[in-house]
Amino acid sequence: GEDVEQSLFLSVREGDSSVINCTYTDSSSTYLYWYKQEPGAGLQLLTYIFSNMDMKQDQRLTVLLNKKDKHLSLRIADTQTGDSAIYFCAEITDKLIFGTGTRLQVFP
Amino acid sequence: GAGVSQTPSNKVTEKGKYVELRCDPISGHTALYWYRQSLGQGPEFLIYFQGTGAADDSGLPNDRFFAVRPEGSVSTLKIQRTERGDSAVYLCASSLVGTTDTQYFGPGTRLTVL
Repeated sequence: GEDVEQSLFLSVREGDSSVINCTYTDSSSTYLYWYKQEPGAGLQLLTYIFSNMDMKQDQRLTVLLNKKDKHLSLRIADTQTGDSAIYFCAEITDKLIFGTGTRLQVFP
Repeated sequence: GAGVSQTPSNKVTEKGKYVELRCDPISGHTALYWYRQSLGQGPEFLIYFQGTGAADDSGLPNDRFFAVRPEGSVSTLKIQRTERGDSAVYLCASSLVGTTDTQYFGPGTRLTVL
């Protein structure tokens, strides 16, 4: 079955790195995504990775994919208070399946 | 417009009423999707349109929910005989061609059924 799991909460100090983890179950996923949702707002696409890649870097964001373990992570370098939000990973097969989201809280 | 837009942003209705939620996709995007996000959860797929036709409606919870996209652009999600359990944020997304293309989301419509 399709299931995407994330830890619910992460708290980090401003300037530190954040690592948000995600596990998925469908090995036929072609792309995996990270979306950001701020309070009262829609989903903002942050980055994505094709399933045949194992790493993608985009400015402060680094995505790591371990396809064997079906594990995806998002690392945010130099985390800022503006990064506080809920982060969703999602896998795409014939439809986009989202995790429950990880709430990132950044404190000074 | 530059992005996906949804109206209204908020809708409060009474149990048993009928509601319509509207989505304007990004211009030129042929694929359109509806999702429902309950409090504390990730979005859940409802329906996917390719052009004017519903290519996958497997996520619609029951026959009270219906969606149309008559001209292959704007879509309307219709909910009949609303129930309190329908209260959620309804998100719309569009992508250029199909499900392997990146989906861009609108701000959502918050539906509250009293």
